[in-house]
Amino acid sequence: ETGVTQTPRHLVMGMTNKKSLKCEQHLGHNAMYWYKQSAKKPLELMFVYNFKEQTENNSVPSRFSPECPNSSHLFLHLHTLQPEDSALYLCASSREGSGNSPLHFGNGTRLTVT
Amino acid sequence: SQELEQSPQSLIVQEGKNLTINCTSSKTLYGLYWYKQKYGEGLIFLMMLQKGGEEKSHEKITAKLDEKKQQSSLHITASQPSHAGIYLCGAGASSNTGKLIFGQGTTLQVKP
Repeated sequence: ETGVTQTPRHLVMGMTNKKSLKCEQHLGHNAMYWYKQSAKKPLELMFVYNFKEQTENNSVPSRFSPECPNSSHLFLHLHTLQPEDSALYLCASSREGSGNSPLHFGNGTRLTVT
Repeated sequence: SQELEQSPQSLIVQEGKNLTINCTSSKTLYGLYWYKQKYGEGLIFLMMLQKGGEEKSHEKITAKLDEKKQQSSLHITASQPSHAGIYLCGAGASSNTGKLIFGQGTTLQVKP
C-alpha cells in the first residue's frame, strides 16, 4: 500500500465544472508535489510545496490552483479546464524539498475533460 | 534548461535476457533517480545515485552513474515478466531545489 493516497482515481468533468483533486501522505514528509503526465511526454512538474509554502510554480495556467493546508495534505483545484488538460495527475512527497531525497508517488488521478 | 534523454524508448526482450537502459543529461546531474511505473499508476522508487562513479544494486537491477555525472544506466540481469513496465530516470534540475525533472521513459516488455 502506497504511503501517498490520491482521490479520486478517475474523474470526468466538463469544461465549465469545478472539481478538486486530493492528496494525502502518511510518511511524515515535509515537501509535496503535483506532476502532470500526458501521453508520450515527460512528466511535467507543476507545483512544489516545502513546509506548506509554495516554492515552485512551473508556469502553470491559473485554471489550476493548488492548496496545501498542512504538510500532509495537498489539493489541486480545477476550474474551466480545456480538453488538452486531460492527463494523469500525480502527487508526490519527499522528506525535504532540496532534491536530495527521493519522491514517493501516489497512484494518480486520471482526469478526462470533455 | 536541463533535459534528460532516455534510450531506447521501448524494448522487447525474451525472458532470461539481460538489458540496459540509458539516461543522458544535458547538464551535470544533482542526484539521479530511477523509477518504475506500471501503466496508469504511480511511480515506484528504485534507486538514487549521487556520486560520480556510484553503483547500486537491488535484486537483479543495477544502476550506475558515470564519473562526469551526466549519464546513468540501468541494467537488468536475467529479465522476468515482473520487470515489465515503464522505467523513468529523474534528476534535480539544479542543486538544492525540489525541481525534479524526468526523462520520457523506456517501455519494457518481457516475453515469457
